[in-house]
Amino acid sequence: GAGVSQSPRYKVAKRGQDVALRCDPISGHVSLFWYQQALGQGPEFLTYFQNEAQLDKSGLPSDRFFAERPEGSVSTLKIQRTQQEDSAVYLCASSSRAPNTEAFFGQGTRLTVV
Amino acid sequence: LAKTTQPISMDSYEGQEVNITCSHNNIATNDYITWYQQFPSQGPRFIIQGYKTKVTNEVASLFIPADRKSSTLSLPRVSLSDTAVYYCLPGSGAGSYQLTFGKGTKLSVIP
Repeated sequence: GAGVSQSPRYKVAKRGQDVALRCDPISGHVSLFWYQQALGQGPEFLTYFQNEAQLDKSGLPSDRFFAERPEGSVSTLKIQRTQQEDSAVYLCASSSRAPNTEAFFGQGTRLTVV
Repeated sequence: LAKTTQPISMDSYEGQEVNITCSHNNIATNDYITWYQQFPSQGPRFIIQGYKTKVTNEVASLFIPADRKSSTLSLPRVSLSDTAVYYCLPGSGAGSYQLTFGKGTKLSVIP
């Protein structure tokens, strides 16, 4: 596709449920990022992949959050035992190379934990 | 990472030029300054990036003074479709990859 694709667009989860959010980056993009955006706030960094290697996961809020990119293309962000404070928009971005380069964002997945 | 200060919100009438200034007093020597735009229910979109002086593209201009402690995004003749949140991001210097967004400036264009 022409842009970064995320699915699902909307997800409602019951507290305690596990969820998986998918990101299809732009073909050939080496770098992939996940961000979390709370209502009324700017996006906050979660994690960064270069190809299949997760080089930085310093932004993941707890060990309930896990991200993978096993073949260096599609990525999945998994949240275990969801809690209400996990409710946010989760944004995926990709870029052709990391430093000083334009990042292309998907439309995000809006997660609501009830 | 450089801390930024931007106005929380701005209003403008259609057809006017809008200037949004961002302060980043402790910007690093090798940091660029990048601006992103975000519409409701969309991911952020890259607008423009510069290091010093002036950069212009088909969407906006970016003015950066010699001390690089601030930058101004200039949107010529705004339209209703320019209503969005605008983020100033100093950083992305050599070896860096993390984008630090802050709260941005919510621009409302009024007919």
